[in-house]
Amino acid sequence: ETGVTQSPTHLIKTRGQQVTLRCSSQSGHNTVSWYQQALGQGPQFIFQYYREEENGRGNFPPRFSGLQFPNYSSELNVNALELDDSALYLCASSLGFTGNTIYFGEGSWLTVV
Amino acid sequence: SQQGEEDPQALSIQEGENATMNCSYKTSINNLQWYRQNSGRGLVHLILIRSNEREKHSGRLRVTLDTSKKSSSLLITASRAADTASYFCAETIETSGSRLTFGEGTQLTVNP
Repeated sequence: ETGVTQSPTHLIKTRGQQVTLRCSSQSGHNTVSWYQQALGQGPQFIFQYYREEENGRGNFPPRFSGLQFPNYSSELNVNALELDDSALYLCASSLGFTGNTIYFGEGSWLTVV
Repeated sequence: SQQGEEDPQALSIQEGENATMNCSYKTSINNLQWYRQNSGRGLVHLILIRSNEREKHSGRLRVTLDTSKKSSSLLITASRAADTASYFCAETIETSGSRLTFGEGTQLTVNP
């Protein structure tokens, strides 16, 4: 049990739709990151938030956006869904900007049809 | 190309044997973290090893780090069927905060 919770666990969306995924970080953790993991691949970094500000972004288009709230929970929004967006989306949290253990949630499985 | 590349890609052993997985990376790291992932599930943190450390233990797990070779290894001793999973190493660098860079992982199968 990592204390990082994600919702929903599974969802199916149609191409062109929008989706919001949610993450509650471990208590006290002020850094949240999001990753996309396609089947059979390692996780790919999308972006991270530190104290409510985006602080680092991977190679993902602007239709991937996020928020971090004052309680350090976070959302990942994906607009104009494409079939290739089908993946496991993982949220990770840690204390401080760098240097500490990073804990992951169980992920949200997104299928785009 | 990917940093944090694991080797081998797949490993199949018998229960009770030891399993060794290797990881290479390309830049100067802040720390390196090892994770386990059961099929379709989230990542479970195993061990964090900092750039100034050479070895860490946790139960049946031993991680080594060789910064001169930019490589790390994970040893699982006396393996069990429940150890069957994918194993990933991922590094952070000082200037990128908590951003982890993963490889493709090693798929470990422990046969009863």
